[in-house]
Amino acid sequence: AQKVTQAQTEISVVEKEDVTLDCVYETRDTTYYLFWYKQPPSGELVFLIRRNSFDEQNEISGRYSWNFQKSTSSFNFTITASQVVDSAVYFCALSGNNAGNMLTFGGGTRLMVKP
Amino acid sequence: DAGITQSPRHKVTETGTPVTLRCHQTENHRYMYWYRQDPGHGLRLIHYSYGVKDTDKGEVSDGYSVSRSKTEDFLLTLESATSSQTSVYFCAISEGSSYNEQFFGPGTRLTVL
Repeated sequence: AQKVTQAQTEISVVEKEDVTLDCVYETRDTTYYLFWYKQPPSGELVFLIRRNSFDEQNEISGRYSWNFQKSTSSFNFTITASQVVDSAVYFCALSGNNAGNMLTFGGGTRLMVKP
Repeated sequence: DAGITQSPRHKVTETGTPVTLRCHQTENHRYMYWYRQDPGHGLRLIHYSYGVKDTDKGEVSDGYSVSRSKTEDFLLTLESATSSQTSVYFCAISEGSSYNEQFFGPGTRLTVL
């Protein structure tokens, strides 16, 4: 069975602060994929990043960066110099070796960035 | 943006009535999924389809059925709606491997009174 835990249910920061969203996962698969999705107040789900289990290199995209550590089963997401537009619910998800390529989602972290 | 639409976008119904939600895609993706989103639970998979007439159960399938008679359409049916099925329902599509991200529709907010 797979499991994704996002222990932080809500985080509140002031604009320009850096913030890290934690994601811890459990899987028995040796090959798996990790994802982050963003759900802004408008409600749609936006794909942000995919990482496979064989690639532990950190990734940076503008103000966003992701830290994947297999040793701790974590895939954390950092927003540098946060902006009000970053306010959203962020979901971490896991896909392993299952027949339907199903995603297992964490409970989500609500990020509120105040001006 | 992936071409995924859901209808209706909002629905209010009464306990015991049947409800059908529709997901339509224009991407010709093989896999389609139905999730429900509830506070504290993230998204949970209800059913998925890996081809026309090929479907399987997800984590929370009780009380739901699905059908896929065409590649582009995936229907979710609540045979007899209950208040516990009040939720936001998302459809997603994927090209088909674990590597591929899923693209989500805009969601349907269902309220069962």
